[in-house]
Amino acid sequence: GQNIDQPTEMTATEGAIVQINCTYQTSGFNGLFWYQQHAGEAPTFLSYNVLDGLEEKGRFSSFLSRSKGYSYLLLKELQMKDSASYLCAVLDSNYQLIWGAGTKLIIKP
Amino acid sequence: DGGITQSPKYLFRKEGQNVTLSCEQNLNHDAMYWYRQDPGQGLRLIYYSQIVNDFQKGDIAEGYSVSREKKESFPLTVTSAQKNPTAFYLCASSSLAGETGELFFGEGSRLTVL
Repeated sequence: GQNIDQPTEMTATEGAIVQINCTYQTSGFNGLFWYQQHAGEAPTFLSYNVLDGLEEKGRFSSFLSRSKGYSYLLLKELQMKDSASYLCAVLDSNYQLIWGAGTKLIIKP
Repeated sequence: DGGITQSPKYLFRKEGQNVTLSCEQNLNHDAMYWYRQDPGQGLRLIYYSQIVNDFQKGDIAEGYSVSREKKESFPLTVTSAQKNPTAFYLCASSSLAGETGELFFGEGSRLTVL
């Protein structure tokens, strides 16, 4: 079966750095997405990785290792508004998105 | 501004009633999707459509129906056959059907069955 694993919840301090991990086992791979979702709202796109390595976009970076079936989202200089759920999703060989359950990130002052 | 609009945002329904959730996009996207989101679970695909007058079942299509009469519109009907319909429903669209297209989501519709 296809599976995506992320931690259920993480807590970090304002101004700090946090890394949210995502491991996947899917039938084929055509890319990995990270989305941010604030409570009660729609997910919004953060990043897309299809090749190994690090993609940096401002305070957010996303890393991919296809051989390890592993990705992480790195958030720097955390702000209170970063409190949200972070969803990892993999595009499989049929170009269908497989979603993780999401990681709820709590930022404390 | 271009975007994707869902309505209503909140909906209450009595058991045994059908209800239709609206989804409209003006992004000129070919592909549209309906997802269901439950606490502690990933998004689950209900139905998707890559072209007008054609749609495909997702992983949890039972108890749901859709239509795609226009490119801009993809309404979802939650029928009385859906055993546990209380959930947060998300509509999404993408520009490249079946390929690496970023999904754009509507704001969601929260359905509660009383």
